[in-house]
Amino acid sequence: DTEVTQTPKHLVMGMTNKKSLKCEQHMGHRAMYWYKQKAKKPPELMFVYSYEKLSINESVPSRFSPECPNSSLLNLHLHALQPEDSALYLCASSQREGGGNTIYFGEGSWLTVV
Amino acid sequence: LAKTTQPISMDSYEGQEVNITCSHNNIATNDYITWYQQFPSQGPRFIIQGYKTKVTNEVASLFIPADRKSSTLSLPRVSLSDTAVYYCLVGDAWGSTFIFGSGTRLSVKP
Repeated sequence: DTEVTQTPKHLVMGMTNKKSLKCEQHMGHRAMYWYKQKAKKPPELMFVYSYEKLSINESVPSRFSPECPNSSLLNLHLHALQPEDSALYLCASSQREGGGNTIYFGEGSWLTVV
Repeated sequence: LAKTTQPISMDSYEGQEVNITCSHNNIATNDYITWYQQFPSQGPRFIIQGYKTKVTNEVASLFIPADRKSSTLSLPRVSLSDTAVYYCLVGDAWGSTFIFGSGTRLSVKP
């Protein structure tokens, strides 16, 4: 069972809507991630937060806006999306423990843009 | 960042041992090797992680040769429920980026 919780599990939104995806972890991890995954493709890294600060943005369009309110929460704000943005959005977290770095994933939020 | 290469797909039968090899020729000294399993419509699930030699847990073994340029995930006696995509990731430390390769789609048949 994953200890990274994502809500909602499914979201349908129009191209003019504003919505948010939420992610929560209570493992004390200090790095959190957003990935995007299209069908039959590997997850693609979007953003990385370390100690609540954005450390990596993989050239993601500004219609995706991440936010890390505290060490346990990660949001992804969505605005003016396109149908091609429909995908599974995965949140993950990690904490270095004696070497190596294991990322733990949530179950994902399915996003459909109509 | 070390790039990984895996076979696109593999077929097996129930009860067989399956070995999936991953190539990571430019692995860095501080990099660890981690394998994930992903079922359709679910997030990737951690299977095993290693740095060198052999690591074993309750579900799999990971073999890493001395040069660390490749690794092999071994799944003993697979069942139908092991049908999934398996990803090999190579990465290091705190806040580092973990980039997924194409993964290996394993199909277990009765």
